[in-house]
Amino acid sequence: SQKIEQNSEALNIQEGKTATLTCNYTNYSPAYLQWYRQDPGRGPVFLLLIRENEKEKRKERLKVTFDTTLKQSLFHITASQPADSATYLCALVNAGNMLTFGGGTRLMVKP
Amino acid sequence: DTAVSQTPKYLVTQMGNDKSIKCEQNLGHDTMYWYKQDSKKFLKIMFSYNNKELIINETVPNRFSPKSPDKAHLNLHINSLELGDSAVYFCASSQSLQGFTDNSPLHFGNGTRLTVT
Repeated sequence: SQKIEQNSEALNIQEGKTATLTCNYTNYSPAYLQWYRQDPGRGPVFLLLIRENEKEKRKERLKVTFDTTLKQSLFHITASQPADSATYLCALVNAGNMLTFGGGTRLMVKP
Repeated sequence: DTAVSQTPKYLVTQMGNDKSIKCEQNLGHDTMYWYKQDSKKFLKIMFSYNNKELIINETVPNRFSPKSPDKAHLNLHINSLELGDSAVYFCASSQSLQGFTDNSPLHFGNGTRLTVT
């Protein structure tokens, strides 16, 4: 069966460090992978999209990698700040253009 | 300006009742969606409409009926509510259905928390 797995345990890091979140998938052949941020009581907000032929994408302090061999995407936030604390969701777009979400990982950045 | 707005934000009702959630987007997008987020935070697609036409209808009980009077609106009507319907329901929109690009991510509303007692 198809699965998108993100670490359900919260990730706690110190301000200024780099946060790395993982998204693993099985039985998908995604054309794209997206990352969203969700704050409590709010809807997800789009952050970055990476295509299957791209290894890495950057936006300001954010970096996403996509390894189709490992079936994994890593989401990095460098120089993390308390304001980065949120739940981060990965989502896969498959050939049928269906966007399916992982369960998200909660990031807590402590000052 | 709120891009995707849905009302109400909170909805508490009893089993067996019928309720509606409204959604409007002012982004000029062609495609709108309803997602359900359960207590474990998994977001699952329920419906997708493109230019008022139903495109995706996942395995959702037929008690759930979406209605799209125009491409800026996608309302969700739920009949005979059950305890298991309690969740947060998100409306979303995107520029197009066919092909997600950097310019066509999903834009979500802030959700409607439905509690069925």
